[in-house]
Amino acid sequence: EVQLVESGGGLVQPGGSLRLSCAASGFTFSTYWMSWVRQAPGKGLEWVANIKQDGSEKYYVDSVKGRFTISRDNAKNSLYLQMNSLRAEDTAVYYCSGGLTISDHWGQGTLVTLSS
Amino acid sequence: EIVLTQSPDFQSVTPKEKVTITCRASQSIGSGLHWYQQKPHQSPKLLIKYTSQSFSGVPSRFSGSGSGTDFTLTINSLEAEDAATYYCHQSSSLPWTFGPGTKVEIK
Repeated sequence: EVQLVESGGGLVQPGGSLRLSCAASGFTFSTYWMSWVRQAPGKGLEWVANIKQDGSEKYYVDSVKGRFTISRDNAKNSLYLQMNSLRAEDTAVYYCSGGLTISDHWGQGTLVTLSS
Repeated sequence: EIVLTQSPDFQSVTPKEKVTITCRASQSIGSGLHWYQQKPHQSPKLLIKYTSQSFSGVPSRFSGSGSGTDFTLTINSLEAEDAATYYCHQSSSLPWTFGPGTKVEIK
């Protein structure tokens, strides 16, 4: 069974940093494109970033470019999102997702809250 | 950026009724359109990928069609467990984008 388990969310002040992790199991992690997708409270889904199977290609939504970094460790079956210079509008549930080409499978999400 | 619009925003439906949700893209996306279901307090689940391919384990009452800029998700014979918000999503070009969602309520 495919499992994606996010961790690392929490309460952080504007301008602060946070690192999200996603532990994958039940499939060959190194064969999946992986993504982070977020959902602000009561709002819709917003794609944040993608990373290719071998980590050679990374893509970001404009609003997080230069602030967020997606990475992966295929040896540890793990996906990461380093978030710096956080803003109030980054408050959301962050989902880890992945698939051979699109987001077939999703984790349960981890909540990131910005508050001073 | 490709903008996806969905209609309707909200639909209240009687069980066993047929539901049709449409998704329109601001430019042609070929068949790179996918549908997700999200129930309250749950993560999204893939229903249909690449316009019409049913994802593993998805009930056969869910189907998708379309091409280019106009796409449809159909739920035949709605069941109570189908109460959810449905999102379309395009992976044809970056940035990947999602539609605003269609909330389906059971009468």
